[in-house]
Amino acid sequence: SQKIEQNSEALNIQEGKTATLTCNYTNYSPAYLQWYRQDPGRGPVFLLLIRENEKEKRKERLKVTFDTTLKQSLFHITASQPADSATYLCALDKGNQGGKLIFGQGTELSVKP
Amino acid sequence: GAVVSQHPSWVICKSGTSVKIECRSLDFQATTMFWYRQFPKQSLMLMATSNEGSKATYEQGVEKDKFLINHASLTLSTLTVTSAHPEDSSFYICSGVRLTYNEQFFGPGTRLTVL
Repeated sequence: SQKIEQNSEALNIQEGKTATLTCNYTNYSPAYLQWYRQDPGRGPVFLLLIRENEKEKRKERLKVTFDTTLKQSLFHITASQPADSATYLCALDKGNQGGKLIFGQGTELSVKP
Repeated sequence: GAVVSQHPSWVICKSGTSVKIECRSLDFQATTMFWYRQFPKQSLMLMATSNEGSKATYEQGVEKDKFLINHASLTLSTLTVTSAHPEDSSFYICSGVRLTYNEQFFGPGTRLTVL
């Protein structure tokens, strides 16, 4: 069955450093992959979408890579700030199912000042 | 960006009662809305797909008679948890899909606590 795994339950880094989060998937070839931010008690907020034919995408301090051979996506936050502290979710489309997504369990990022 | 609202934001009810949660897309039309459930420290699990003007489709293991979904218009979908029990306590989140794009826009969630 399709499976998504995100790295370590929590990631603690110092302000100003680059945070790197990992999303691995198996038994699947998604057409696109998305990253979301979720704050406690809130719904996810869309950050970036990257398609299977794209290697990298950037948005301000965010960068996402997508390696369909390794079946892995990396999510980077450069010059991290305490306000970046949140849980980050990766999600894959279920393929030709009208936008259905499978979510990873999330990585909790904590940026210390 | 597109905005999705949910009402109520939290609700506490007694076991055996029914609870209705509304999901509205405020500035776009969503022919498809999804309902998710999230338990503490876990990821979002898709419960059902709500399509305007047609019956909802449910994921495997989700009881359609317990979780009634109605998608009355292009901007409103409702989830009714019937005869709620403590194990139904969870964070329920809806999302709307805007046709032009692939990304989903999520509501703020509804915290349901069944006593």
